[in-house]
Amino acid sequence: GENVEQHPSTLSVQEGDSAVIKCTYSDSASNYFPWYKQELGKRPQLIIDIRSNVGEKKDQRIAVTLNKTAKHFSLHITETQPEDSAVYFCASGFNFGNEKLTFGTGTRLTIIP
Amino acid sequence: ETGVTQTPRHLVMGMTNKKSLKCEQHLGHNAMYWYKQSAKKPLELMFVYNFKEQTENNSVPSRFSPECPNSSHLFLHLHTLQPEDSALYLCASSQDGGGAGNEQFFGPGTRLTVL
Repeated sequence: GENVEQHPSTLSVQEGDSAVIKCTYSDSASNYFPWYKQELGKRPQLIIDIRSNVGEKKDQRIAVTLNKTAKHFSLHITETQPEDSAVYFCASGFNFGNEKLTFGTGTRLTIIP
Repeated sequence: ETGVTQTPRHLVMGMTNKKSLKCEQHLGHNAMYWYKQSAKKPLELMFVYNFKEQTENNSVPSRFSPECPNSSHLFLHLHTLQPEDSALYLCASSQDGGGAGNEQFFGPGTRLTVL
C-alpha cells in the first residue's frame, strides 16, 4: 500500500520568515496531494491541494510543489504569521479512484513572534 | 462550524463496556469516513462508506464495528476495547464520485479514553 513520509516533525520559524514542509510518497499511481492544517484542539481543514497534472499551485502565502519523478511534494508558507502555528498533514490519494487518503505523520509548526 | 458533528465529544469507558460514537453531516455528501488520530502517528483511515456501502476497511480489529444507516449518519460501535485504542476518533465526509480528490470535511472528534 501507499506510504507517505513527512519531514520535519517539528519546525520553528521567526515570524515573517518562510517555512517548508516536505513529503514523499511511494505509489506512483497516486495523483492527488492535499495538505490539511490542524490548529490546537480543532479539526483538520484543507488548505491547499495539487493534482499530478501540474507542478506548482499557489494561494496567497501558501504554495505547493510536486515532483512526480522523485515522488515528493512540498508545502511552502511565506511571510509566516502567528496564526500559521498548527500541525500540518500532507496526504496522497488517487483522484477518481477509491476515496482512501494516506496521511503523513504531521509537522508541528511554531511561529516565533 | 456545524457541517459535520460528532457525539459525544469525550468518552471514558472500561474494557468491558459497549459504547457507540455518532457522526452526522449536513453537507449533502455521500462519502463518510472514520479516522483514528493518536499522538505522534499519522491520521489512520479506518473505514470508508460511499452511498451507505462500505468501500474500505483498513484492517481494523473487529472490536470496532461501523454502521451507516443513511448518507448523513455514521456510527462506530465499540466493544471490548483495549487501552491502546485510546485516541481521538475523527469523522469526515466528502462529495461523492471524485475518489480521493474531493475535500474531506472533518468533525470535531471524540476523545476516547479506555481504562
